[in-house]
Amino acid sequence: AQKVTQAQTEISVVEKEDVTLDCVYETRDTTYYLFWYKQPPSGELVFLIRRNSFDEQNEISGRYSWNFQKSTSSFNFTITASQVVDSAVYFCALNTYGGSQGNLIFGKGTKLSVKP
Amino acid sequence: EPEVTQTPSHQVTQMGQEVILRCVPISNHLYFYWYRQILGQKVEFLVSFYNNEISEKSEIFDDQFSVERPDGSNFTLKIRSTKLEDSAMYFCASSELGGFGTNTGELFFGEGSRLTVL
Repeated sequence: AQKVTQAQTEISVVEKEDVTLDCVYETRDTTYYLFWYKQPPSGELVFLIRRNSFDEQNEISGRYSWNFQKSTSSFNFTITASQVVDSAVYFCALNTYGGSQGNLIFGKGTKLSVKP
Repeated sequence: EPEVTQTPSHQVTQMGQEVILRCVPISNHLYFYWYRQILGQKVEFLVSFYNNEISEKSEIFDDQFSVERPDGSNFTLKIRSTKLEDSAMYFCASSELGGFGTNTGELFFGEGSRLTVL
């Protein structure tokens, strides 16, 4: 069975703090994709990153970085020097070879509140 | 920047009524999707659509739901007889390519249509 677990329901930090959002996934497929989406208070879903199962290199994009570890089935997301505009719900998602195109399995999301 | 647009942004309806949610995907995209998010819960896949037919649907997408691409630009989700539990945010999404291993999952989501069933 495919599953995505985001154990942190809500996180609250003060601006400029670093914060890591955890994502653990389950799949028996050896080929799969992992994603992070951001859902700001306005409600839309904003694509942040996609990572395939064969690429374990960590990625950095500005203040965002992602740590993919197949050994622990985790794909964690770190925001460095958080800002109030980072306040949103963040979803981790999985797409596997057994699923059709676009059938993303989402975690329950982590609500991040960044206070000034 | 091209975007997926959805209408209405919010619809309130009575239980048992039919509802049609509309989406205009990005113009060169070929794959279209509907997802649902019940308030405070995770986003759930409903259906994917390609070449004028459903390519996959979840168990949520029962006989009360249907999708259609009535013309070259719109993609609609119809709920035939709404139930209270259909209250949710419905997201339309599109992607340029859909085959696994290509741009799978680089879905561009609309801002959602909030459906409230009373």
